[in-house]
Amino acid sequence: EIVMTQSPATLSVSLGERATLSCRASQTISSNLAWYRQKPGQAPRLLIYGASTRATGIPARFSGSASGTEFTLTISSLQSEDFAVYYCQQYNNWPVTFGGGTKVEIK
Amino acid sequence: EVQLVQSGAEVKKPGESLKISCKGSGYSFTNYWIAWVRQMPGKGLEWMGIIYPIDSDTRYSPSFQGQVTISTDRSIRTAYLQWSSLKASDTAMYFCARPSSSNYGGDAFDIWGQGTMVTVSS
Repeated sequence: EIVMTQSPATLSVSLGERATLSCRASQTISSNLAWYRQKPGQAPRLLIYGASTRATGIPARFSGSASGTEFTLTISSLQSEDFAVYYCQQYNNWPVTFGGGTKVEIK
Repeated sequence: EVQLVQSGAEVKKPGESLKISCKGSGYSFTNYWIAWVRQMPGKGLEWMGIIYPIDSDTRYSPSFQGQVTISTDRSIRTAYLQWSSLKASDTAMYFCARPSSSNYGGDAFDIWGQGTMVTVSS
């Protein structure tokens, strides 16, 4: 089973600032990496797939990148709706596995 | 509109059985795998398993193999997650989710159900 490790666990950021979230895979997963945002009481929403492709309707302030087994989600200018928990997910192999999440909170 | 609609919240006692559902609409139900994802209170997301409605090919995470059963009824466009004997540790929110590509289970999930809260308590 591929282990996904996210860091940091909590990120404190001010409105309008940049946020950088990290995710590492325990083995090669090619670009089969997705990012989700989950607000309290809601289902996760797909933000990025293929490590760097924005999903339908996702604003350009969200971007994803990859370097080997290291993946990054960048939110260029945090909006109020972005304060939430973010999960990375690998879908290269079954079982699909998620990272433990990064909570982005207001500083 | 493409959507997955799940059955309502359940409160059960340990040892009881349960079957929750996930109904797809707005797309070709048989051509897309459907996965189940667990989220325990205050915790992260865990992939439980996935089923392909066209032939009922089912794969389970080792963590959930033998603990739950995933099934589907193509005639009513519905997938199911069931337990034969619930434990308190099964208390969680359960989501169904659909991979974005048809006929392929190894993809990101672009459609999610709203979740079904299952509470198991004596």
